[in-house]
Amino acid sequence: KQEVTQIPAALSVPEGENLVLNCSFTDSAIYNLQWFRQDPGKGLTSLLLIQSSQREQTSGRLNASLDKSSGRSTLYIAASQPGDSATYLCAVRPGNQGGKLIFGQGTELSVKP
Amino acid sequence: DAGVTQSPTHLIKTRGQQVTLRCSPKSGHDTVSWYQQALGQGPQFIFQYYEEEERQRGNFPDRFSGHQFPNYSSELNVNALLLGDSALYLCASSLGRGHTEAFFGQGTRLTVV
Repeated sequence: KQEVTQIPAALSVPEGENLVLNCSFTDSAIYNLQWFRQDPGKGLTSLLLIQSSQREQTSGRLNASLDKSSGRSTLYIAASQPGDSATYLCAVRPGNQGGKLIFGQGTELSVKP
Repeated sequence: DAGVTQSPTHLIKTRGQQVTLRCSPKSGHDTVSWYQQALGQGPQFIFQYYEEEERQRGNFPDRFSGHQFPNYSSELNVNALLLGDSALYLCASSLGRGHTEAFFGQGTRLTVV
């Protein structure tokens, strides 16, 4: 059974700091992995999608990596800003279970001015 | 492009009642998935609709049912509401059987009293 874990559960950093959020999954048979941002009480905003054949994806100050063999992904945020404060969720799409996404519990990020 | 839209935004129902939530997918998308998110948790997959049929289902009781219309919009119905059904209900759309990037709506906050 695929399980997704995100560590840490919460993180507080000063503005300008570079930071890394971690995501691990138990079964390496995945189609892809997607990172999302969620503001309090709101829906999910897609940040990056990494296909199983890819090692990383970049969008602006965000860089996500994928190591399928070790069951790990990281989301790197450069030069963090207070507007980056939100919960970050990773989700995997299992290779043998159709199109559903399996989510971690998220990392709540707070960037202090 | 309006993105994924859900209605209503908030809803309060009494235990035992029935509720219907609605979702319009992103333009060009034909697959709709529904997720339940309890407070402080990651979203849990309920089911996925493609070509007007339920294609995949998560671990949710039969009280949860759905429908997809010819224009790809979808409804989630929950019967015999329980207090534990209180959650944020999220709709996601994608192209094909869901192996592509998923885009989420803003969610419907359901409170059962």
